Amino acid sequence: EPEVTQTPSHQVTQMGQEVILRCVPISNHLYFYWYRQILGQKVEFLVSFYNNEISEKSEIFDDQFSVERPDGSNFTLKIRSTKLEDSAMYFCASSVGRVSADTQYFGPGTRLTVL
Amino acid sequence: QQQVKQSPQSLIVQKGGISIINCAYENTAFDYFPWYQQFPGKGPALLIAIRPDVSEKKEGRFTISFNKSAKQFSLHIMDSQPGDSATYFCAAISIRDNTDKLIFGTGTRLQVFP
Repeated sequence: EPEVTQTPSHQVTQMGQEVILRCVPISNHLYFYWYRQILGQKVEFLVSFYNNEISEKSEIFDDQFSVERPDGSNFTLKIRSTKLEDSAMYFCASSVGRVSADTQYFGPGTRLTVL
Repeated sequence: QQQVKQSPQSLIVQKGGISIINCAYENTAFDYFPWYQQFPGKGPALLIAIRPDVSEKKEGRFTISFNKSAKQFSLHIMDSQPGDSATYFCAAISIRDNTDKLIFGTGTRLQVFP
């Protein structure tokens, strides 16, 4: 069964450093998403991406964050200057259609630890 | 208004019992309510979903009950099995607002003991 993959599984970085989290969505999917889950808290929507542009972003997704689909298979989340409060599990998801019309498939997540 | 409140935070059930997880919302614009199951080390996976035009949806041992007037919905797991042990998230979204923003509950950690 096709699945969403994410790398790395765990990333440790120093505060102020840039990190790039990588995702490979399922190949025929058109909608891509990033979510985060701070330890012990709920999953929070960050951004959705369709047709090579951001469709929607949450208030969490400020200027420090950016997304890109550089080569037609990867989908990346960049955090420009990490803060301690960025420590969380980051999930990538993809779907054929929009959330309400089609199943979203989540990757296993990247645990980001900012020291 | 954008919150979805979920309870209980954790639940312990014996094998064969019924697990019940409850969620409540305020935003009357929400019109699609999925439930996700998450195993340790994995991302959430869609389990079952309901729209508010029906009061109940059943898929195998999993049933969503929906009370539109009370703005509450719940997940019932019948004949709970140890393999059901996972974290369950309810969620909500407003399709009519043309948004992708899925609002998650805080999660319920279910443990089913043999």
